[in-house]
Amino acid sequence: GESVGLHLPTLSVQEGDNSIINCAYSNSASDYFIWYKQESGKGPQFIIDIRSNMDKRQGQRVTVLLNKTVKHLSLQIAATQPGDSAVYFCAEIGNTNAGKSTFGDGTTLTVKP
Amino acid sequence: DAGITQSPRHKVTETGTPVTLRCHQTENHRYMYWYRQDPGHGLRLIHYSYGVKDTDKGEVSDGYSVSRSKTEDFLLTLESATSSQTSVYFCAIRTQWADGYTFGSGTRLTVV
Repeated sequence: GESVGLHLPTLSVQEGDNSIINCAYSNSASDYFIWYKQESGKGPQFIIDIRSNMDKRQGQRVTVLLNKTVKHLSLQIAATQPGDSAVYFCAEIGNTNAGKSTFGDGTTLTVKP
Repeated sequence: DAGITQSPRHKVTETGTPVTLRCHQTENHRYMYWYRQDPGHGLRLIHYSYGVKDTDKGEVSDGYSVSRSKTEDFLLTLESATSSQTSVYFCAIRTQWADGYTFGSGTRLTVV
């Protein structure tokens, strides 16, 4: 079946460093990928997305890279700040009208001051 | 928060009792989803709706039912709560299938 997984359950970085969070997916038919950030006690929040016809997309301090050949995507956070501490999920959306997503288990990012 | 609210935010209930969680949206989104989130399992889809009275099962639908009698409300019912249904429940909405979700703040349900 479909699965989405993150390579590491936890990641600890120093404030100011760059962070890279990785995700592997299994459904080669996926059209659309999203990264979410979830802070403690809150629902997941949309960070950035990328469609399957793109390799890279940049936002404010975040970049998502998509490698369809190996079915891998990554989230890069530049100059990581304490406020970036959260759980990060990747999600893939198949090409159906209901657009159900499959979510990875999450990587907990801890930023040390 | 983006026009989606969940109620209640917290609930403790006894095994065997029925429980209904409510998701309310104010932005006329067509698609609504119920997920549960548990340690080690991430977010798992329980049920979803693609319109009024149009619902379908997700991957963990056993023990749950849903109803959507109007666009703005999507109700999740546990007919007879069990301890395995202790979880955090999230509702999500989206305008069309090609968009990302907007999540509610969650309902923390404890079944004792």
